[in-house]
Amino acid sequence: AQSVAQPEDQVNVAEGNPLTVKCTYSVSGNPYLFWYVQYPNRGLQFLLKYITGDNLVKGSYGFEAEFNKSQTSFHLKKPSALVSDSALYFCAVRASYNNNDMRFGAGTRLTVKP
Amino acid sequence: KAGVTQTPRYLIKTRGQQVTLSCSPISGHRSVSWYQQTPGQGLQFLFEYFSETQRNKGNFPGRFSGRQFSNSRSEMNVSTLELGDSALYLCASSSRGADTQYFGPGTRLTVL
Repeated sequence: AQSVAQPEDQVNVAEGNPLTVKCTYSVSGNPYLFWYVQYPNRGLQFLLKYITGDNLVKGSYGFEAEFNKSQTSFHLKKPSALVSDSALYFCAVRASYNNNDMRFGAGTRLTVKP
Repeated sequence: KAGVTQTPRYLIKTRGQQVTLSCSPISGHRSVSWYQQTPGQGLQFLFEYFSETQRNKGNFPGRFSGRQFSNSRSEMNVSTLELGDSALYLCASSSRGADTQYFGPGTRLTVL
């Protein structure tokens, strides 16, 4: 079965610095990878996805992610962090294009300090 | 377009009761998936409905069930509630089964 791992429970960065939230995946076949963000008492908001094509995917709010097949990673990045980026970030994987059984990582709490 | 809506937003029940949660997908979306989010287990897939048929099912007991109506609205039912069922229940919709899922705000269920 497909799975993802987010090795860091917490990431702290200073405002204006670049940020990286890590994700590695395990799936047989081609991976379909997603990043979502969750603010307190809210549902999940879609940030970006990798289905096929360019390894660098650009998404909402200035976020991007790099797909690396050899390292089975899909790290989320942003060149300059904002305090408002502080939230819980989830990486997710689907095993196939037609299967909506999405497996989520445990989440990484990002804190951006002024 | 309006987003995914879920009702009610908060619910308090006691052990042994049953509960029904409702989800209205984004207009035009035919796939609805349900997830359970708890601090201990994280986000777990419950099931997916597409065109009124359950297409995928996660690893949850039979107490958890769902259905989808012809207008794509979906309901999830939990019978014989247990304390461990306390969670945030999230609904997500997508235009076709294979597209990006968009989530609702969730229903916070507390079982006493």
